[in-house]
Amino acid sequence: GQNIDQPTEMTATEGAIVQINCTYQTSGFNGLFWYQQHAGEAPTFLSYNVLDGLEEKGRFSSFLSRSKGYSYLLLKELQMKDSASYLCAVRDIAAGNKLTFGGGTRVLVKP
Amino acid sequence: GAVVSQHPSRVICKSGTSVKIECRSLDFQATTMFWYRQFPKQSLMLMATSNEGSKATYEQGVEKDKFLINHASLTLSTLTVTSAHPEDSSFYICSALRDSSGANVLTFGAGSRLTVL
Repeated sequence: GQNIDQPTEMTATEGAIVQINCTYQTSGFNGLFWYQQHAGEAPTFLSYNVLDGLEEKGRFSSFLSRSKGYSYLLLKELQMKDSASYLCAVRDIAAGNKLTFGGGTRVLVKP
Repeated sequence: GAVVSQHPSRVICKSGTSVKIECRSLDFQATTMFWYRQFPKQSLMLMATSNEGSKATYEQGVEKDKFLINHASLTLSTLTVTSAHPEDSSFYICSALRDSSGANVLTFGAGSRLTVL
């Protein structure tokens, strides 16, 4: 099985930076994904990491350390529209390359 | 970009009836689609993997006779909730695999909110 842990909720101020951590345990790691999900909507793809290091995409960056089973999603210059749930998901070869999601982190951006 | 269409977006049905949800990949072919269920304030739980031309693979604890999956073509998978009960009320989301620079990114449909009265 897989354990994917991320904080339940985070609050930040508009214009600030927030870092969402995700730790995982898996036997056949084959990629980590971050998705954004607004309430009542489907998740949308944000980023993908399979090698160690930082992937930057505009205001969003994602980091991976495979040896530590750790990733984070960094949101810069927060905007009100960034209020959403952020889902960490891990693909595992041992699980047939299926994607398993963490519980999600609800981020609330305040003015 | 890749688009996955899911229909209906909302459905209300009486207990004991069946409901069919469709998932279509609009601009790409998807040999594999996935069906997830999401309860309020919880994460996505994989129900089953839908394989074109073969039987679906169900996750442990998911009743295959209750959640019928058919993947008749490379662009369409359907989920039928049979003899629905109030506890089946949930947000059902389909997704399809689309290769994106080797990442094989999952693209999600907009979801279907099922309410069973």
